[in-house]
Amino acid sequence: DSGVTQTPKHLITATGQRVTLRCSPRSGDLSVYWYQQSLDQGLQFLIQYYNGEERAKGNILERFSAQQFPDLHSELNLSSLELGDSALYFCASSVDIRTEAFFGQGTRLTVV
Amino acid sequence: KNEVEQSPQNLTAQEGEFITINCSYSVGISALHWLQQHPGGGIVSLFMLSSGKKKHGRLIATINIQEKHSSLHITASHPRDSAVYICAVSPNFGNEKLTFGTGTRLTIIP
Repeated sequence: DSGVTQTPKHLITATGQRVTLRCSPRSGDLSVYWYQQSLDQGLQFLIQYYNGEERAKGNILERFSAQQFPDLHSELNLSSLELGDSALYFCASSVDIRTEAFFGQGTRLTVV
Repeated sequence: KNEVEQSPQNLTAQEGEFITINCSYSVGISALHWLQQHPGGGIVSLFMLSSGKKKHGRLIATINIQEKHSSLHITASHPRDSAVYICAVSPNFGNEKLTFGTGTRLTIIP
């Protein structure tokens, strides 16, 4: 158990819908990272937060947004879902950007 | 051409064999990561390194900054080492804006 909790573990939804994925980082970790793993694109960095502020952005679509709350948990919002958004979404956390990151078990999103 | 290339893509070996997985990158980096992804999907960070060599148990990771190349070695391989091993690089600081390789699927046969 990495100490990073992601909910839900599995999510099935229809095209056009909106979903929210939640990540609770390890106690004391200020940095949260979101990644997408799809069959055709592999693992991709989406976005990173540090202590509530957006720190870095990767290949995140405009339909996707995220935030980190004062209690340091983070949410990734995916809207106007398309079939191609079906993927594993991972959250990771670390004390800061220079230290080892720990991954959650992922949320498997299936868009039908 | 991908910024991070791994070889081989697939590797099958007998239990006890010495395993080497390679990673080459084409961009400037501040850190390189080796990750392990088990069949269930969970990801574990094995190493983060910016120079030299690190060892943890039977795993050894090396990096040559001049040649933009890293290797992950597994000594005395065991069936429980069967997993996908992923190389990732960060251009700025340790974990920032990681770019991932496509992974090496390792299968260790008893």
